[in-house]
Amino acid sequence: GENVEQHPSTLSVQEGDSAVIKCTYSDSASNYFPWYKQELGKRPQLIIDIRSNVGEKKDQRIAVTLNKTAKHFSLHITETQPEDSAVYFCAATSYGQNFVFGPGTRLSVLP
Amino acid sequence: SQTIHQWPATLVQPVGSPLSLECTVEGTSNPNLYWYRQAAGRGLQLLFYSVGIGQISSEVPQNLSASRPQDRQFILSSKKLLLSDSGFYLCAWRGQRLGGYTFGSGTRLTVV
Repeated sequence: GENVEQHPSTLSVQEGDSAVIKCTYSDSASNYFPWYKQELGKRPQLIIDIRSNVGEKKDQRIAVTLNKTAKHFSLHITETQPEDSAVYFCAATSYGQNFVFGPGTRLSVLP
Repeated sequence: SQTIHQWPATLVQPVGSPLSLECTVEGTSNPNLYWYRQAAGRGLQLLFYSVGIGQISSEVPQNLSASRPQDRQFILSSKKLLLSDSGFYLCAWRGQRLGGYTFGSGTRLTVV
């Protein structure tokens, strides 16, 4: 079955700097890769996703890149702000399968 | 538009007491439904999922059970709570097309 690893587990950046979180997956059949942001005490919310037929997707300050050959995908946040502080989860899946989530990355944006 | 409701938001229960958490989805039909548990500062652990009425799959052996009596209703239950059942419980749904999960607002359960 699918296995998703996520690094780093914690990440601290200065406000305005960029943050990158990387996930690797094991099942080459996976073709959908969402990213979730979970603020303290709140529900995880989908912030961006990418399908295997594209290599990059961008939405304002966040972007996701996918390398199918190497089986890894990354979340990029530019010009970080304090409100970006949260736990971020990646996941991998294919049609008809349940999501397999990574263990999460706690991002702290320092003022 | 689709919405997901989960209640209660917080719950404090004594050890050995029963549990019932409810989740309902509006604005969609035949959703896939999920129950996740999240221990403090930890990741998302899939407990149960359902692809249709009366169809329940369990991911881990535990003190909990789930039921889906109606298409858009998913219930998490326990007959006797353990201290280790404490955590943040999240219901989620997903449509039949390939796409993301939408999570409910969660129930914070503390077993004392």
